[in-house]
Amino acid sequence: DSGVTQTPKHLITATGQRVTLRCSPRSGDLSVYWYQQSLDQGLQFLIQYYNGEERAKGNILERFSAQQFPDLHSELNLSSLELGDSALYFCASSSGQGAGNSPLHFGNGTRLTVT
Amino acid sequence: GQNIDQPTEMTATEGAIVQINCTYQTSGFNGLFWYQQHAGEAPTFLSYNVLDGLEEKGRFSSFLSRSKGYSYLLLKELQMKDSASYLCASGGYSGAGSYQLTFGKGTKLSVIP
Repeated sequence: DSGVTQTPKHLITATGQRVTLRCSPRSGDLSVYWYQQSLDQGLQFLIQYYNGEERAKGNILERFSAQQFPDLHSELNLSSLELGDSALYFCASSSGQGAGNSPLHFGNGTRLTVT
Repeated sequence: GQNIDQPTEMTATEGAIVQINCTYQTSGFNGLFWYQQHAGEAPTFLSYNVLDGLEEKGRFSSFLSRSKGYSYLLLKELQMKDSASYLCASGGYSGAGSYQLTFGKGTKLSVIP
């Protein structure tokens, strides 16, 4: 158990809809990262928050947004969903400010299916 | 930007040794990670190299050569439970100017009896 909690585990929704994925980091970790994993693309970095502030941005679509709250939990909002958004969405946390100098600890992911 | 290459698939025999290679091109490089991921599960951290050389941790070892942009993960005394994908990841500056951890597509290792 990594200590990172993600909900829900599974989500099935229709094209055009909006969903919210939730993540609680490990106790003491200030950084939260969101990754998307699809079969052909591997793990793609979306966005990172550190202590409530956006720290780094990857290939995140404009239809997607995220935030980190004062209690350090984070939410990833996906809107105007398309079939291609179907993927595993992972949240990870770390103690450091920036990726690359401390390991990321991953939650069990949310499997999103868009029909 | 960042680019990471690793073989797509490998097969090895139970009890044997296998080496999974990874090459990377990373601006502002500051660390190389290896993760293990079983199908449908979360990636779990295996090792971290920031300096050149070999880091040993039980049956797993990881090597880094920064000048060559090269790393490998060595798995000894393979067990059936080692069948998984192994992800190489490097920390560095992305094309968008932010600092991030970029993952390779993973090497799917199959351990056969």
